Amino acid sequence: QQQVKQSPQSLIVQKGGISIINCAYENTAFDYFPWYQQFPGKGPALLIAIRPDVSEKKEGRFTISFNKSAKQFSLHIMDSQPGDSATYFCAGETSRNRKLIWGLGTSLAVNP
Amino acid sequence: DTAVSQTPKYLVTQMGNDKSIKCEQNLGHDTMYWYKQDSKKFLKIMFSYNNKELIINETVPNRFSPKSPDKAHLNLHINSLELGDSAVYFCASSHEGLAGVASGELFFGEGSRLTVL
Repeated sequence: QQQVKQSPQSLIVQKGGISIINCAYENTAFDYFPWYQQFPGKGPALLIAIRPDVSEKKEGRFTISFNKSAKQFSLHIMDSQPGDSATYFCAGETSRNRKLIWGLGTSLAVNP
Repeated sequence: DTAVSQTPKYLVTQMGNDKSIKCEQNLGHDTMYWYKQDSKKFLKIMFSYNNKELIINETVPNRFSPKSPDKAHLNLHINSLELGDSAVYFCASSHEGLAGVASGELFFGEGSRLTVL
C-alpha cells in the first residue's frame, strides 16, 4: 500500500513538445502529492505539488492533473525546453506520518 | 547563502574504513533527513530527526549512525564501509508545519558522492 509507481522510466521530447509523466499510488490516505526536479549533480528540488481536493494545478508551463478515483496523477510540461532536461520524481505523503513515498524517477531529455 | 550544505562533496575510500558526512541547514527547520540515491537514481530515506530526536529509522545496517548535535546539524557516520555503500547521500531539511497538515517540502543539499573501492 506504500508504493508510488512512476512511468515512463525515461522520456525524450523535442523542444516545444509536451512532456507527460504519470504516477499511480495505492495508499488512499495520501493527502499530498509533490513533484521534485533534479538536475545532474544537484539535489532534488520541489517543482509543484497538489492536494487531493483539486483536480488540477498549474504553475507556468508545469501542470499537475489529479484523478482521485483512479488514484493517479501526472505532470505535464508544456512547451518543453532543453533546460527542463532533468530527473523528475513524484511522491505521496500522509499527514499522519509525514513520510514521503517516492516514485522511481523519470529521466527527461528535451532535444533542441 | 547555501540553505542545506553537506561536506564533503566527494569521498573516495577503501572498504572497511570509517567515514563521516556532515550536514548543516540555516533555514531554521526542525526536521532533517538523510537519503541515499543509488546509481539508478532511486531515492531511499534512511533517517529523519525532528528537534534532535530520531523519528524515522528505515531498515539501514547499524553500521550507519546518524547524530544530531542540534536541530541545525545532522551528521552521518558509516563504519566498516562496503562496496554497496557507494552512492550519493543527500541531506535534507523541512519545517514540520501545522499539525495534521502534510507539507512535504524538502530542501536538499547538493549531495555527497561516496565511492568505496
